[in-house]
Amino acid sequence: GQSLEQPSEVTAVEGAIVQINCTYQTSGFYGLSWYQQHDGGAPTFLSYNALDGLEETGRFSSFLSRSDSYGYLLLQELQMKDSASYFCALKAQGGKLIFGQGTELSVKP
Amino acid sequence: EAGVAQSPRYKIIEKRQSVAFWCNPISGHATLYWYQQILGQGPKLLIQFQNNGVVDDSQLPKDRFSAERLKGVDSTLKIQPAKLEDSAVYLCASSLLAGGPADTQYFGPGTRLTVL
Repeated sequence: GQSLEQPSEVTAVEGAIVQINCTYQTSGFYGLSWYQQHDGGAPTFLSYNALDGLEETGRFSSFLSRSDSYGYLLLQELQMKDSASYFCALKAQGGKLIFGQGTELSVKP
Repeated sequence: EAGVAQSPRYKIIEKRQSVAFWCNPISGHATLYWYQQILGQGPKLLIQFQNNGVVDDSQLPKDRFSAERLKGVDSTLKIQPAKLEDSAVYLCASSLLAGGPADTQYFGPGTRLTVL
């Protein structure tokens, strides 16, 4: 089967940098996606890594290492509005997403 | 560009009742997904349509859940009869292409179902 693990909670202060790790087990996948979800809101696409390495989109970066079955999301210059849940998800055959349990990020002033 | 629309936003029913959810994907998107998100967990795929055909329904509890995508656009998801464990947010997502590696999924706001 396919499974993902990520920390349940992370706390950081405004202006800091935080890294959310994701490890996975799978027999095959297209890539690793990251989504942000505010309380009561829709999951919003942040980033996608099809290949190993770093992808940068503004304050957010995402990394994938297929050999280590590992990825992370890096958030820089944290803002209060970044407080949300963050999900890593495997993009599997047919395009379906297999999500982790999510990491709740709390940004403190 | 309008996003994925879902209705109703909230629904409260008693167990053994029936309920239906509606989704209108982004215009022109070929692929439509229904996910179930239980509180504190990540979304779990229930069913995937490409146009009006089912691509993957391996995790749909077919004894009580059904879904259709009329004319390859709107979709409805039905639960009949509902159980307490069906309490969750039901998310609809759509993507432009046929679900390939670079095809991004866009999610609607979801329907929060409470079964009493």
